[in-house]
Amino acid sequence: DADVTQTPRNRITKTGKRIMLECSQTKGHDRMYWYRQDPGLGLRLIYYSFDVKDINKGEISDGYSVSRQAQAKFSLSLESAIPNQTALYFCATSRPGLADTGELFFGEGSRLTVL
Amino acid sequence: EDQVTQSPEALRLQEGESSSLNCSYTVSGLRGLFWYRQDPGKGPEFLFTLYSAGEEKEKERLKATLTKKESFLHITAPKPEDSATYLCAVQALVGKLIFGQGTELSVKP
Repeated sequence: DADVTQTPRNRITKTGKRIMLECSQTKGHDRMYWYRQDPGLGLRLIYYSFDVKDINKGEISDGYSVSRQAQAKFSLSLESAIPNQTALYFCATSRPGLADTGELFFGEGSRLTVL
Repeated sequence: EDQVTQSPEALRLQEGESSSLNCSYTVSGLRGLFWYRQDPGKGPEFLFTLYSAGEEKEKERLKATLTKKESFLHITAPKPEDSATYLCAVQALVGKLIFGQGTELSVKP
């Protein structure tokens, strides 16, 4: 089983629908992240959380919200999806020492298509 | 503004043909430069961390080097299994990485 699990892996939805992407991890890491990957733009940070009570915006948080339900679970929501949110979404984890080394552990991604 | 630019966007090599990938960066207060490998349909996988100019790291056929303005990922005698997208990232604030757009490497037998 993967250490960082994302569900769903693929989702097609319509403009205006609410979507939730879920991430769970078995690595025991405190820090969790949501990134978005678009062709030619690389990975961009949406939100990150250093522990259950800590939530921080990344560089592209508009139109997204997150919930850290437990140390092991971090969900990303699109309240009203729009086509330019079509992308590949990645969840990642790290622990404090590893975060300083830049070592993040990524899930396998959730491909979202908004029609 | 912190920024990372990778070149080339795509690179095709024959097996055994050595080459280098480039990562240029501008960041206020570099805390580290990182290389990741990403296979199709997978999440990125960590390769190296470099902290200061002149530092080098090696792993099998890969060697990463760092200057004050850029990093190179040298691939010596590549094999088809080295085909992947290679991502470069910098860290200015703890826990927040800024990624480049990646270089897609294809190694043909």
